[in-house]
Amino acid sequence: DTEVTQTPKHLVMGMTNKKSLKCEQHMGHRAMYWYKQKAKKPPELMFVYSYEKLSINESVPSRFSPECPNSSLLNLHLHALQPEDSALYLCASSHPSLAGGRSTGELFFGEGSRLTVL
Amino acid sequence: GENVEQHPSTLSVQEGDSAVIKCTYSDSASNYFPWYKQELGKRPQLIIDIRSNVGEKKDQRIAVTLNKTAKHFSLHITETQPEDSAVYFCAATPNAGGTSYGKLTFGQGTILTVHP
Repeated sequence: DTEVTQTPKHLVMGMTNKKSLKCEQHMGHRAMYWYKQKAKKPPELMFVYSYEKLSINESVPSRFSPECPNSSLLNLHLHALQPEDSALYLCASSHPSLAGGRSTGELFFGEGSRLTVL
Repeated sequence: GENVEQHPSTLSVQEGDSAVIKCTYSDSASNYFPWYKQELGKRPQLIIDIRSNVGEKKDQRIAVTLNKTAKHFSLHITETQPEDSAVYFCAATPNAGGTSYGKLTFGQGTILTVHP
């Protein structure tokens, strides 16, 4: 299984709503990422989890709250978002793996969750 | 930190022509250079990558070259087809081969249009 699965594929929410994006991988990767992407722009790194611990927070506003319940799952909790937060949110994973070894550098992206904030 | 610059921002070619996209990077420690293709509404997909111990890599119609001294790498697509139309991103990281995560720095992207 070389898939990173994200749900939901589409999400529309109001500025007062609370919602969550979910990501799952079964490749045994121990690094998982959240990226935000606007149309025709590169993915922007938001968070990195390494061995289930938050390793990087790229100065992301607190209305985005990541969570890594276990080595296969990554969540992004959303609260009080702004219309400018509308974007494609991509989850990714990479080596090293549960079996150890070294990072190859390659990122495996999910299909993304397209978020629209009204 | 790493900075990656990508040119051109848009590229328009006729079907059958070649397309070349160039990237430069700033961190001499970078050792992994992937290229991603992203079609409208889809996820970025890795199309080819190169590591710092290799100067050139080819996979059918696509090839990547790396010049470590000049800190630049390029994507070459030959015999372009309309289905090659997409946004292409280069990226770089110094973390490949380590025991931790790899933080990729992306270029700004090139919108490639192949006209039939």
